[in-house]
Amino acid sequence: GQQVMQIPQYQHVQEGEDFTTYCNSSTTLSNIQWYKQRPGGHPVFLIQLVKSGEVKKQKRLTFQFGEAKKNSSLHITATQTTDVGTYFCAGPGGATNKLIFGTGTLLAVQP
Amino acid sequence: EAQVTQNPRYLITVTGKKLTVTCSQNMNHEYMSWYRQDPGLGLRQIYYSMNVEVTDKGDVPEGYKVSRKEKRNFPLILESPSPNQTSLYFCASSLLASYNSPLHFGNGTRLTVT
Repeated sequence: GQQVMQIPQYQHVQEGEDFTTYCNSSTTLSNIQWYKQRPGGHPVFLIQLVKSGEVKKQKRLTFQFGEAKKNSSLHITATQTTDVGTYFCAGPGGATNKLIFGTGTLLAVQP
Repeated sequence: EAQVTQNPRYLITVTGKKLTVTCSQNMNHEYMSWYRQDPGLGLRQIYYSMNVEVTDKGDVPEGYKVSRKEKRNFPLILESPSPNQTSLYFCASSLLASYNSPLHFGNGTRLTVT
C-alpha cells in the first residue's frame, strides 16, 4: 500500500540553527498537508500545498512541494524553543478518501 | 469556540471490560475520524465517517467499533479491550469529506489496558 515516510525521525538543534524535515511518498500526491504536534498536545494543521513546485512561507517556516509531487519539505529558519514538537506530513491515500500520515519528525531545540 | 471534544483524557482499564471514548465536534463538519498514535508508527487511522450513518474502516480497525448517528458525535467503542490497544487516541473532523480538507483534532485520550 501507499507509504509516506519522513526523515529524520528525530533532530536535536541548538536554538538559532536551521531545521529541515523531508517527506517522501511512494505515489504521486494531489496535495500534501503539514501538521505540528507540541509535546503532550494534539496535531494542529499548518498548511496545505497543492501545486507542483509550490513554495509557501509562514514566518520562519518554508514549505515546499516537489516538482513530481512525491515529496515535500519543511524548513525552519533560526529555530526557537517554541518550535519544539513533532512535525507530520500527510497525503491522500490513493483511491481511498483518507489521509495517510507520515511517521513524523520530532524536533528538540536546546536553548 | 470551534472545537473537537474527546472524553475522557485518560483511561485505565482491564482486559475485556467494554469502554467507549466519546468525540463531539461543534463545527458542523461532515467528516470525522479516529486515529491511534504509537511511538515510531505515527498516526494510524482506525475508522472514519463521511457523514451520518456512513462509516468505513481505516488501516487498523480490528477490535474497534464506531457509530455516527448524529453529525456531531462519533464515539469509539472497544467491546473487549486488550493490552495491544494501549495507545494515544485522537478524534478528528474536517468540513468536507475530502482529503483536501484540513483535519481538526481533539485533545486526545490516553488509554491503558492492563
